[in-house]
Amino acid sequence: EDKVVQSPLSLVVHEGDTVTLNCSYEVTNFRSLLWYKQEKKAPTFLFMLTSSGIEKKSGRLSSILDKKELFSILNITATQTGDSAVYLCAVRPFNNDMRFGAGTRLTVKP
Amino acid sequence: EPEVTQTPSHQVTQMGQEVILRCVPISNHLYFYWYRQILGQKVEFLVSFYNNEISEKSEIFDDQFSVERPDGSNFTLKIRSTKLEDSAMYFCASCRGLNYGYTFGSGTRLTVV
Repeated sequence: EDKVVQSPLSLVVHEGDTVTLNCSYEVTNFRSLLWYKQEKKAPTFLFMLTSSGIEKKSGRLSSILDKKELFSILNITATQTGDSAVYLCAVRPFNNDMRFGAGTRLTVKP
Repeated sequence: EPEVTQTPSHQVTQMGQEVILRCVPISNHLYFYWYRQILGQKVEFLVSFYNNEISEKSEIFDDQFSVERPDGSNFTLKIRSTKLEDSAMYFCASCRGLNYGYTFGSGTRLTVV
């Protein structure tokens, strides 16, 4: 059975801190790994990763995938209160649709 | 920026009633999905739809559920004979192709009483 495990489940930091969120997975026929940010309602797309070792970057957020060790990390530098959200990791196999992890709830305090 | 639109945003229904949740995916997207999220739990896959047919469904998507794309723009999820445990946020999503990220709608919160 495909499995996506995120850690930590929740994290509280102060503005300006750097955080690293983890996602490990077990999936047959891996196609891609995706990161989403969920605030009040719908998940919003952050990154899609398909190749090992290639960092994707968007502003203060970056992510990288390790297909050998079956994990990905999402880094957020210089955190702001607006980064407070649940960060979801999802894995997409070739012959199935996305499966989500339980998420990491990030709270950034002023 | 193009959006996936879902209506209604909130629906309250009595147990045993049928509900239809509506979605308008992004117009040039080819793959359509329904996910649900029970309060405090993870986002769960229900069904995917491509080329006017279901391409995959999860064990949650039993005979109580059905999907339809009746007119080339709407994508609906019907839940027959709703149960209390169907109460959840239901998200529609679409994507352009299998190598693209999904765009989610803002969800319909279904409350079964």
